[in-house]
Amino acid sequence: GQNIDQPTEMTATEGAIVQINCTYQTSGFNGLFWYQQHAGEAPTFLSYNVLDGLEEKGRFSSFLSRSKGYSYLLLKELQMKDSASYLCAVVDSNYQLIWGAGTKLIIKP
Amino acid sequence: DTGVSQDPRHKITKRGQNVTFRCDPISEHNRLYWYRQTLGQGPEFLTYFQNEAQLEKSRLLSDRFSAERPKGSFSTLEIQRTEQGDSAMYLCASSLTFQGANTDTQYFGPGTRLTVL
Repeated sequence: GQNIDQPTEMTATEGAIVQINCTYQTSGFNGLFWYQQHAGEAPTFLSYNVLDGLEEKGRFSSFLSRSKGYSYLLLKELQMKDSASYLCAVVDSNYQLIWGAGTKLIIKP
Repeated sequence: DTGVSQDPRHKITKRGQNVTFRCDPISEHNRLYWYRQTLGQGPEFLTYFQNEAQLEKSRLLSDRFSAERPKGSFSTLEIQRTEQGDSAMYLCASSLTFQGANTDTQYFGPGTRLTVL
């Protein structure tokens, strides 16, 4: 079966750094997305990785290791507005998005 | 605003009634997706269109659910004889895909929250 694993919830302090991990087991791999979703709102696109390595975009970076079936999202200089759920989604061999359940990130002052 | 829009944003209905939701994608996008999301879960794929053609439907999509995209622009999702288990957020997303490319970035609308009493 296809499986995406993320921690259910994480807590971090404003101004700090947090790493949200995602491991996957899917039938094929054609890329991995990270989305941010604030409570009651739609997911918004953060990043897309298809090759191994680190992609940096401002305060957010995303890393991929295809051999390990592993990705992480790194958030630096945390702000209160970063409190949200972070969804990992993998594109499988049929080019369908397989979604994780999301990691709820709580930022404390 | 040129993003994906959905209407209505909230819908409360009684069990057994039919409901219809509308999605207007980003204007130049050729793909349109429908998802369902419940609290604490990721989006669950329902169906998608490329232009006006419905290319795939989830096995989880019962025959009470039907979607259309008649002119390749807006789409509607209808749920007939609603059940309490249909209560969820219904998300629409659109994307632009090019010939030969299969992985596209999906942009989501604000969703329609359905409550079935």
